[in-house]
Amino acid sequence: GAVVSQHPSWVICKSGTSVKIECRSLDFQATTMFWYRQFPKQSLMLMATSNEGSKATYEQGVEKDKFLINHASLTLSTLTVTSAHPEDSSFYICSARDGGRAADTQYFGPGTRLTVL
Amino acid sequence: GESVGLHLPTLSVQEGDNSIINCAYSNSASDYFIWYKQESGKGPQFIIDIRSNMDKRQGQRVTVLLNKTVKHLSLQIAATQPGDSAVYFCAEKTSGSRLTFGEGTQLTVNP
Repeated sequence: GAVVSQHPSWVICKSGTSVKIECRSLDFQATTMFWYRQFPKQSLMLMATSNEGSKATYEQGVEKDKFLINHASLTLSTLTVTSAHPEDSSFYICSARDGGRAADTQYFGPGTRLTVL
Repeated sequence: GESVGLHLPTLSVQEGDNSIINCAYSNSASDYFIWYKQESGKGPQFIIDIRSNMDKRQGQRVTVLLNKTVKHLSLQIAATQPGDSAVYFCAEKTSGSRLTFGEGTQLTVNP
């Protein structure tokens, strides 16, 4: 149980284009999902917290107009990187919190490698 | 500010030995801690967790110890195997449901 998927697993795009990443909880309902970014050999940095049906809460320094988050259902959250630039190249990872049992535990997706040319 | 840190960035052990990965945290109000394992190019995988009302918890080949007096957390892996080679992160639940991650320790298991 507690499986989280992400799609795509990797994406290469041109500078100035937008990229959408999906995060799904497959066998549980996720009242809260989180989006992280991870640069090589570094730790995970929380970008935003999204609650189903409400606006996401962004961490300090994260541009909400650049990183659009939508959490339209209890099993799906999307992150759209708008007008991507090479410095946005990173490993983007989502996690989901089970609203029921073990409510504090976050289960992570496999990550999406974004490369902006 | 709040921080979770690790004492050693790298740890190299022989196959079959026990491994101990350490983590220090600074927020005495934190009440929940998790250890994650991350293999190259993959997302973090849940290993074991512990609440602040406990000082020890055991799983399969893994044990987490919590010392609230000195704000220290450790992960012990028994009979370390090559498949245990990965980066290990401790995470601390801070405000609300947010997790703050430590810097990570690269564990290398030598055959």
